Amino acid sequence: GAVVSQHPSWVICKSGTSVKIECRSLDFQATTMFWYRQFPKQSLMLMATSNEGSKATYEQGVEKDKFLINHASLTLSTLTVTSAHPEDSSFYICSASRRQGRNQPQHFGDGTRLSIL
Amino acid sequence: AQKITQTQPGMFVQEKEAVTLDCTYDTSDPSYGLFWYKQPSSGEMIFLIYQGSYDQQNATEGRYSLNFQKARKSANLVISASQLGDSAMYFCAMREGGGSNYKLTFGKGTLLTVNP
Repeated sequence: GAVVSQHPSWVICKSGTSVKIECRSLDFQATTMFWYRQFPKQSLMLMATSNEGSKATYEQGVEKDKFLINHASLTLSTLTVTSAHPEDSSFYICSASRRQGRNQPQHFGDGTRLSIL
Repeated sequence: AQKITQTQPGMFVQEKEAVTLDCTYDTSDPSYGLFWYKQPSSGEMIFLIYQGSYDQQNATEGRYSLNFQKARKSANLVISASQLGDSAMYFCAMREGGGSNYKLTFGKGTLLTVNP
């Protein structure tokens, strides 16, 4: 069964709205979670690493004021797209590793399709 | 330079036949891990198989096996006895280093279509 839950699955909203996406680890504690963005027919691009109890680490070119990440508990990370515009429309997906270790895969949520009108 | 290269944008295979999806990687780190994920049209990312840089044997998981050629820096995914449900995007990904660095770098993916 799913080990990472992401909500909502779909969001359609007007330009200028802020949108919050939740990522939960279901039966394990995740000190680190990852947020990716995927455009149609393209690969996953890492946006940021979410660290429980501390600031997120953003990848180069990702606006931290635009994409706010909060990892307030060991099972929940949130991504808020602030004042969203049509160019922010994309597929956002989070992941976490169930256990530490080099060979441990990241488990992904089902993703959120964001459409800004 | 790209760290993960998947040279096949699309592949077609007949049901019940085997197919190989190519992946080459670039790293100077002696410690790394290679992962394959499947992404159906619904969007979720499904972990398939893992190969560590120090692993002596090629990884296998059911119908999935990884043809790991370290000197060539390739980690091709082999799917045996293809099924219609195998039609999806397939991504190769790499994690470099050890410790707490869990960042993954993904290739551009290969769209596999299984024909009946």
